[in-house]
Amino acid sequence: GENVEQHPSTLSVQEGDSAVIKCTYSDSASNYFPWYKQELGKGPQLIIDIRSNVGEKKDQRIAVTLNKTAKHFSLHITETQPEDSAVYFCAASKRGADGLTFGKGTHLIIQP
Amino acid sequence: ETGVTQTPRHLVMGMTNKKSLKCEQHLGHNAMYWYKQSAKKPLELMFVYSLEERVENNSVPSRFSPECPNSSHLFLHLHTLQPEDSALYLCASSQALGKYEQYFGPGTRLTVT
Repeated sequence: GENVEQHPSTLSVQEGDSAVIKCTYSDSASNYFPWYKQELGKGPQLIIDIRSNVGEKKDQRIAVTLNKTAKHFSLHITETQPEDSAVYFCAASKRGADGLTFGKGTHLIIQP
Repeated sequence: ETGVTQTPRHLVMGMTNKKSLKCEQHLGHNAMYWYKQSAKKPLELMFVYSLEERVENNSVPSRFSPECPNSSHLFLHLHTLQPEDSALYLCASSQALGKYEQYFGPGTRLTVT
């Protein structure tokens, strides 16, 4: 089955700097890669996703890149703000699979 | 708010108790999911329902029993749980199976004593 590895487990950046979180996946048939943000006491919230026919997608300060050959994808957050502090999860899925396979999460800390 | 609600938000139960977790989605979706979130582990898919029929069971122990009476409601019945079952139980929904965007509820924090 699919295996998703996520790094780093904790990331601390200064407010205003950029943050990058990386994930790799094992199943070359995976074709959908969402990113979720989970704040304390809440469920994961979908923030951006990318499908395998696209190499990059951007939404304001967040962007996701996908390298199908290397089987890795990354989340980029620019001009980080205190409200970006949360746990971020990457996930992968493929046609025919009904659930998502998640990475272990990255605790992003924005230092004032 | 994602349109997915879960009750209760917190639950403490003994190993011999029977309790149920409830999930309701107000999005008109046809697929619903139960996930388990334990500390320092990835979210684990437990059950998948489509149009009230179970389509996947990821080798979950029988002490967890799901029920989906209609496409808006999903239950997880718990009995004879173990302390290692303590975790955050998350419900999610999607428009349909294969429609990948899943929307999560806030979860039920379960503690088994």
